[in-house]
Amino acid sequence: GAGVSQTPSNKVTEKGKYVELRCDPISGHTALYWYRQSLGQGPEFLIYFQGTGAADDSGLPNDRFFAVRPEGSVSTLKIQRTERGDSAVYLCASSPQGADTQYFGPGTRLTVL
Amino acid sequence: AQSVTQLDSQVPVFEEAPVELRCNYSSSVSVYLFWYVQYPNQGLQLLLKYLSGSTLVKGINGFEAEFNKSQTSFHLRKPSVHISDTAEYFCAGAKDSWGKLQFGAGTQVVVTP
Repeated sequence: GAGVSQTPSNKVTEKGKYVELRCDPISGHTALYWYRQSLGQGPEFLIYFQGTGAADDSGLPNDRFFAVRPEGSVSTLKIQRTERGDSAVYLCASSPQGADTQYFGPGTRLTVL
Repeated sequence: AQSVTQLDSQVPVFEEAPVELRCNYSSSVSVYLFWYVQYPNQGLQLLLKYLSGSTLVKGINGFEAEFNKSQTSFHLRKPSVHISDTAEYFCAGAKDSWGKLQFGAGTQVVVTP
């Protein structure tokens, strides 16, 4: 079946612009996670949804970052007033409710010039 | 303090030789432990996981890991590697089986003939 998909695969933007990154989880998966992977580092947790609500947003670095999942399926990560330090690969993962395995998408590479 | 530490950033190994990738975790944070692999230009894929029970965990592609509570380690091993095992390997921990993952910085394995 289809895995987790993320769009776009690459996004280049200018400092100060607004960007949206989309994640389509595996059908039926209630849990959805966003991570950020900077060059040479492991993924870093950003936010976790259980259904439509954010169960844990402790990893969002500041109020420029926001994520939604209005219908409990697709999620959008929104970054306002982008900075060069936001450049990274943004990963999305999903899992069935109560499951211990997260299934990762291929990521969106964000470059802020 | 980092919760999950991977002690080697890069491990070169010859084809058909054994490999061990070292991972130490913080017992105050990580109860559940995972190893993920990231092949070039692909998303993260689960290799194996320790949730409870037997301390020797077997995963896909001939990999295994041993949970050692006294040494707070979860080292990954394979007795004989193939060229196709060239990838980056990430150790991760979680407080809850369904919760956010905390990743190490990764170990790049390069297998040469």
